[in-house]
Amino acid sequence: GQNIDQPTEMTATEGAIVQINCTYQTSGFNGLFWYQQHAGEAPTFLSYNVLDGLEEKGRFSSFLSRSKGYSYLLLKELQMKDSASYLCAVMDSNYQLIWGAGTKLIIKP
Amino acid sequence: NAGVTQTPKFRVLKTGQSMTLLCAQDMNHEYMYWYRQDPGMGLRLIHYSVGEGTTAKGEVPDGYNVSRLKKQNFLLGLESAAPSQTSVYFCASSVLTGERISGANVLTFGAGSRLTVL
Repeated sequence: GQNIDQPTEMTATEGAIVQINCTYQTSGFNGLFWYQQHAGEAPTFLSYNVLDGLEEKGRFSSFLSRSKGYSYLLLKELQMKDSASYLCAVMDSNYQLIWGAGTKLIIKP
Repeated sequence: NAGVTQTPKFRVLKTGQSMTLLCAQDMNHEYMYWYRQDPGMGLRLIHYSVGEGTTAKGEVPDGYNVSRLKKQNFLLGLESAAPSQTSVYFCASSVLTGERISGANVLTFGAGSRLTVL
């Protein structure tokens, strides 16, 4: 079966750095997406990786290793507004998105 | 631009009642999707559409029907609601999918519709 694993919840301190991991087992691979979802709101797109390596976008970076079936989202200089759930999703060989359950990130002052 | 608009935002139904969720997008996107989101689970695809007049089943289609009569609208219907359909429903759209990946597969989501079936 297809599976996306990510931690259920993480806690970090304002101003610090946090890494949210995502491991996947899917039928084929056509890219990995990270979305941010604030409580009670819609998911919004953060990043996309299809090749191995690090993609940097401001305070957020996303890394992919296809051979290991592994990705992480790195958030730097954490702000209170970063408190949200972070969803990992993989596009499989049929171009269907498989979603992880999300990681709830709690930022403490 | 409004993006993706869902109505209603909240609804309470009794078992056996029917209802329709409406999704409208003003971005001229070809692809539209209906997902449900339940605690502790990833988003699950109910139905999707690759263009006006076409629909296809997703991962969890049972108990739902959809229609895409106009490119900008995608309707999700529950013919006989069951408590298991209590969930938050999200509509999404994208420019394209398939081989032309890149940014074309980024989903734009509506704000969600919270449905409770008693």
